[in-house]
Amino acid sequence: NAGVTQTPKFQVLKTGQSMTLQCAQDMNHNSMYWYRQDPGMGLRLIYYSASEGTTDKGEVPNGYNVSRLNKREFSLRLESAAPSQTSVYFCASSVYRGGMNTEAFFGQGTRLTVV
Amino acid sequence: AQKITQTQPGMFVQEKEAVTLDCTYDTSDQSYGLFWYKQPSSGEMIFLIYQGSYDEQNATEGRYSLNFQKARKSANLVISASQLGDSAMYFCAMSATGANNLFFGTGTRLTVIP
Repeated sequence: NAGVTQTPKFQVLKTGQSMTLQCAQDMNHNSMYWYRQDPGMGLRLIYYSASEGTTDKGEVPNGYNVSRLNKREFSLRLESAAPSQTSVYFCASSVYRGGMNTEAFFGQGTRLTVV
Repeated sequence: AQKITQTQPGMFVQEKEAVTLDCTYDTSDQSYGLFWYKQPSSGEMIFLIYQGSYDEQNATEGRYSLNFQKARKSANLVISASQLGDSAMYFCAMSATGANNLFFGTGTRLTVIP
């Protein structure tokens, strides 16, 4: 029962390097999300995808790109990492039901440090 | 716009006692959902309980119950018979019709004292 799987769990990048965080879900959910979590600020939405091929910017999209190639997978790319992107990143998915997103299920998180 | 407020940065509770974690929300939507998540020190986000705005009864899941007071726009989490393993961060969140997001509060850190 995998649920939401994201990789890697830890990553250290140098300023200016690029990387892609991978996320896959096996729950047949339509909606997928990328959040970042910073101390004292809860979770903030980076990007959202309602379905394959569609993405929308969230609260803090600058410096990130996403790709939803199929229903299962939603990747997050940092093109040129900055120290301000040091954070814990979570991928999540949820069912869209009754006109809104229902409870989201989260991956294990990626702890990213940019030096 | 939707907003979630958790005013208790930290809470302490004696083992086996009940504790209430506060959550208030703001939305102009008539249809919305409210959620609580637990984040232990290991870091994962664990879904605990859900309440729909049209649900007439308060949601319960084992030792967790959601005290939903629609007129006051509050959705407090009640944990009964606290256990040491309940020590964690707890986040309140909401979704609303047509919103692409789950909106999260800043969390409450619960510490269970033996």
